[in-house]
Amino acid sequence: DVKVTQSSRYLVKRTGEKVFLECVQDMDHENMFWYRQDPGLGLRLIYFSYDVKMKEKGDIPEGYSVSREKKERFSLILESASTNQTSMYLCATQPGQGYEQYFGPGTRLTVT
Amino acid sequence: DAKTTQPNSMESNEEEPVHLPCNHSTISGTDYIHWYRQLPSQGPEYVIHGLTSNVNNRMASLAIAEDRKSSTLILHRATLRDAAVYYCILSGAGSYQLTFGKGTKLSVIP
Repeated sequence: DVKVTQSSRYLVKRTGEKVFLECVQDMDHENMFWYRQDPGLGLRLIYFSYDVKMKEKGDIPEGYSVSREKKERFSLILESASTNQTSMYLCATQPGQGYEQYFGPGTRLTVT
Repeated sequence: DAKTTQPNSMESNEEEPVHLPCNHSTISGTDYIHWYRQLPSQGPEYVIHGLTSNVNNRMASLAIAEDRKSSTLILHRATLRDAAVYYCILSGAGSYQLTFGKGTKLSVIP
């Protein structure tokens, strides 16, 4: 079975803090994704990566950056957290283009 | 991306079959039809996908209309653990991105 783990299930940070969310996969998948999910807005893609050190912007990249130094690890960085970044953050992996995606359990981030 | 339309909510009795519809009248010839579901407090979970022919796996069946403008996800025998939001998504063969809509919230009544 594919395993996608996220560093925390729940996280509380203060406005202005730098926040790191980490995602690790054990299936050697090429592609990794970061989404956020908000009530009434559904899942929205923030960034994705199709190879080590490669990244592409999704629909809502503003206020976020990402890092993929190793194939199995994809980090989402909030440079200066703001209250409107309070959300559920979901990581996903994908073996290749057009294939199904496998999601982690999510990190519920609250910024106060 | 081509859009999908799903009912907001559906109910089913436990142990009965469930047919979840999805309309995608603007689907292109290379779009795959994907279904995911999201149980409460969990990340989405892949269910099934297909292109033209009907598909079966251990979780569900996918029936695709001949003109491909609609599809139906079939759960053969609903259990309480199937209560979730079900998303129908179109994705091109060379596409990375999945665009999630609002989905159908399925309630299963014991």
